[in-house]
Amino acid sequence: DAGITQSPRHKVTETGTPVTLRCHQTENHRYMYWYRQDPGHGLRLIHYSYGVKDTDKGEVSDGYSVSRSKTEDFLLTLESATSSQTSVYFCAITSGTGGFHEQFFGPGTRLTVL
Amino acid sequence: AQSVTQLGSHVSVSEGALVLLRCNYSSSVPPYLFWYVQYPNQGLQLLLKYTTGATLVKGINGFEAEFKKSETSFHLTKPSAHMSDAAEYFCAVSAGNMLTFGGGTRLMVKP
Repeated sequence: DAGITQSPRHKVTETGTPVTLRCHQTENHRYMYWYRQDPGHGLRLIHYSYGVKDTDKGEVSDGYSVSRSKTEDFLLTLESATSSQTSVYFCAITSGTGGFHEQFFGPGTRLTVL
Repeated sequence: AQSVTQLGSHVSVSEGALVLLRCNYSSSVPPYLFWYVQYPNQGLQLLLKYTTGATLVKGINGFEAEFKKSETSFHLTKPSAHMSDAAEYFCAVSAGNMLTFGGGTRLMVKP
């Protein structure tokens, strides 16, 4: 257990509304990631963070922004949700131990945009 | 840049039969390779990983995978399927601190 929690776990919202998803970790890991999971696409990286206030874009970053004001929290914001952003969102951290780059995942947030 | 291709989005086997899930990758640097498993309504759990050294890697729940550089493959196998193995499996390749995932293979196990 890498001590990762995500909130909310489920959310239904309407097109055009802002949505913020939270990822919280308890083990002071430097790297944090946001992915979305869609059938047939596996997981695709949205944004990642390599430290407080240090973030960068991933493969599918359009329509998403992130913030990391403290080590333990990584927020994903959909400024104006669209139906194409209906997905399951996963947060992950890199353990960083032993030079490996394996990632550990949170339980996910299922977001439905109507 | 790296990419991962998983052949077969759905694989069905009988209980007790061999499980073979295929993964091919491309990477511009020596890769780290991973298999993750996802049970229904759960997050991803690391099944096994290849970093350096022995090319046959053993993981949890009786799974293993072999890194074949010449074939750029990292296929996942298990000699005898159990009903509890029904899940979705993802192959991933790492370069630096970034993971690239394949599209996933859903394994169904028939009694």
